[in-house]
Amino acid sequence: GNSVTQMEGPVTLSEEAFLTINCTYTATGYPSLFWYVQYPGEGLQLLLKATKADDKGSNKGFEATYRKETTSFHLEKGSVQVSDSAVYFCALSNSGAGSYQLTFGKGTKLSVIP
Amino acid sequence: DADVTQTPRNRITKTGKRIMLECSQTKGHDRMYWYRQDPGLGLRLIYYSFDVKDINKGEISDGYSVSRQAQAKFSLSLESAIPNQTALYFCATSDTPGLSEQFFGPGTRLTVL
Repeated sequence: GNSVTQMEGPVTLSEEAFLTINCTYTATGYPSLFWYVQYPGEGLQLLLKATKADDKGSNKGFEATYRKETTSFHLEKGSVQVSDSAVYFCALSNSGAGSYQLTFGKGTKLSVIP
Repeated sequence: DADVTQTPRNRITKTGKRIMLECSQTKGHDRMYWYRQDPGLGLRLIYYSFDVKDINKGEISDGYSVSRQAQAKFSLSLESAIPNQTALYFCATSDTPGLSEQFFGPGTRLTVL
């Protein structure tokens, strides 16, 4: 079946530090990959996505590259801000096996301190 | 105005009570979903619906039921609430086909005493 494993948090960084949140997946077929972000007290919102191997998703300074050879989709940002403090979820959606559901990782809480 | 709304936003209830959580959307999407979020477990799918006549169980449907009253409305019911159903519940919608982005509501925090 499908599964997503992401690094456990919490992660605490100083403002302007470099961020990496690791995400690996297991899936049959050709999944699409997503990063969702959940700000305090809010629902999840899509941060970026990639639908095929070697695609790079990017948004708000965040990037992630779909690596099929390593089954990974690591989230990176070169310089984090206090406003990036949130919980980040890696997820996949797989139609190749007849599925269409989002499978989420457990989430990584990021705190950025001034 | 929010595209996906959930009511109530917070609810405290007692064991054994029936409770309904409601979700409405103005996005015109056919697909709607109910998830629960527990600390350290991420989101898990309870039920999903691809249209008014198509309802499917998700990963953790036991103890829950749903009703798709219209394209825009999808309700989640707990027939007899128990404490381990205390969680944050999210409704989401997506357009067809299924690989497109899901749009989430703000969540309902449910506490079962």
